[in-house]
Amino acid sequence: KAGVTQTPRYLIKTRGQQVTLSCSPISGHRSVSWYQQTPGQGLQFLFEYFSETQRNKGNFPGRFSGRQFSNSRSEMNVSTLELGDSALYLCASSLQQVTYNEQFFGPGTRLTVL
Amino acid sequence: AQTVTQSQPEMSVQEAETVTLSCTYDTSENNYYLFWYKQPPSRQMILVIRQEAYKQQNATENRFSVNFQKAAKSFSLKISDSQLGDTAMYFCAFMKLGNNDMRFGAGTRLTVKP
Repeated sequence: KAGVTQTPRYLIKTRGQQVTLSCSPISGHRSVSWYQQTPGQGLQFLFEYFSETQRNKGNFPGRFSGRQFSNSRSEMNVSTLELGDSALYLCASSLQQVTYNEQFFGPGTRLTVL
Repeated sequence: AQTVTQSQPEMSVQEAETVTLSCTYDTSENNYYLFWYKQPPSRQMILVIRQEAYKQQNATENRFSVNFQKAAKSFSLKISDSQLGDTAMYFCAFMKLGNNDMRFGAGTRLTVKP
């Protein structure tokens, strides 16, 4: 079974631009969570989608948004990029939310904002 | 709010020896999970071990075991017979039951020396 895939793996943008990152979960997984990883703040939860609905949201500004499609693939969007948005963005998928299911992480998208 | 603290930013151990990584957490929840994740230099996060809070018995996975002290809110990871491939960042994480919002500690960079 293929693992979680994220595209693109690397991205360079300039301040003020917007960016869209994509995450394809493991087949059959319906929950996708997004995390931001930076040296200063560590790993922080952005949001989680389950069955095309945002179920949980972390403490990030409205510039960070996401969505999930009917095939469980998820995208996150960051508008009006700031230098501090430079980070590794990880997504993780799991079977369902109600009971515990292991979260499987993708390799991440490295975003650099210049 | 849940917080996870890893007080050891870096540790090193000789190959074949044993090392213990520390983690404390703060929560008012009674039902939750605790995890140790490994992030090798290639960046793919991998689940090492998980502990359900309702289980008194400490979890073990081959060379990896935990010491879970619920009252003290402590969750340490012991790696026995350390191998060069254990070199990685190790993250302690907390998750409420029924919620895929994981809270991570700052991480401990472990280096296994030959």
